[in-house]
Amino acid sequence: EVQLVESGGGLVQPGGSLRLSCAASGFTFSSYWMHWVRQAPGKGLVWVSRINSDGSSPSYADSVKGRFTISRDNAKNTLYLQMSSLRAEDTAVYYCARDGSYYFHADWGQGTLVTVSS
Amino acid sequence: QSALTQFRSVSGSPGQSVTISCTGTSSDVGGYNYVSWYQQHPGKAPKLLIYDVSKRPSGVPDRFSGSKSGNTASLTISGLQAEDEADYYCCSYAGRYTVVFGGGTKLTVL
Repeated sequence: EVQLVESGGGLVQPGGSLRLSCAASGFTFSSYWMHWVRQAPGKGLVWVSRINSDGSSPSYADSVKGRFTISRDNAKNTLYLQMSSLRAEDTAVYYCARDGSYYFHADWGQGTLVTVSS
Repeated sequence: QSALTQFRSVSGSPGQSVTISCTGTSSDVGGYNYVSWYQQHPGKAPKLLIYDVSKRPSGVPDRFSGSKSGNTASLTISGLQAEDEADYYCCSYAGRYTVVFGGGTKLTVL
């Protein structure tokens, strides 16, 4: 059974940084692309970032480009999202998702809430 | 990277069929056969319903079907059931290794 468990969310001040993690199990992590998708309170899903299987080719939504960095550690079966220069509009539940080959999100974690506020 | 366009809400009675549309451009929906659909119940993570325009993952009932014509994709739910009441999101590849979601449609089962 595929399991994706996000962690690292919390309250951070505007301009601050936070690193999210997503621990994966139940599948061969190193073989799959992975995504981060976010959902602001009461709003819809927004794609944030994608990384290929070996981590060599990340891609980002324009709204986070230059501020967020996606990475992965295939030895630890873990996906990361380093977020910096955080803004109030980054407040959301952040989900990690396994790509189903390709460009769809076959499995999702339960999400971790990031709140950017002073 | 503009969001795909979905009507905000749709409703239907049990047993009926409803269709949820998702309109994009030739740079996303119209340009690739990488359209997917997700169901999300309140407080829950999204669940994959349809991928590659019309393919269903194992475990998803055949009451759910997907199609595409030009820049518009559609999700049809037949034999509507109470548990189908949820938010539905479309998603498409948008080129340059990016993805875009629709704004979501709230389905109410009357």
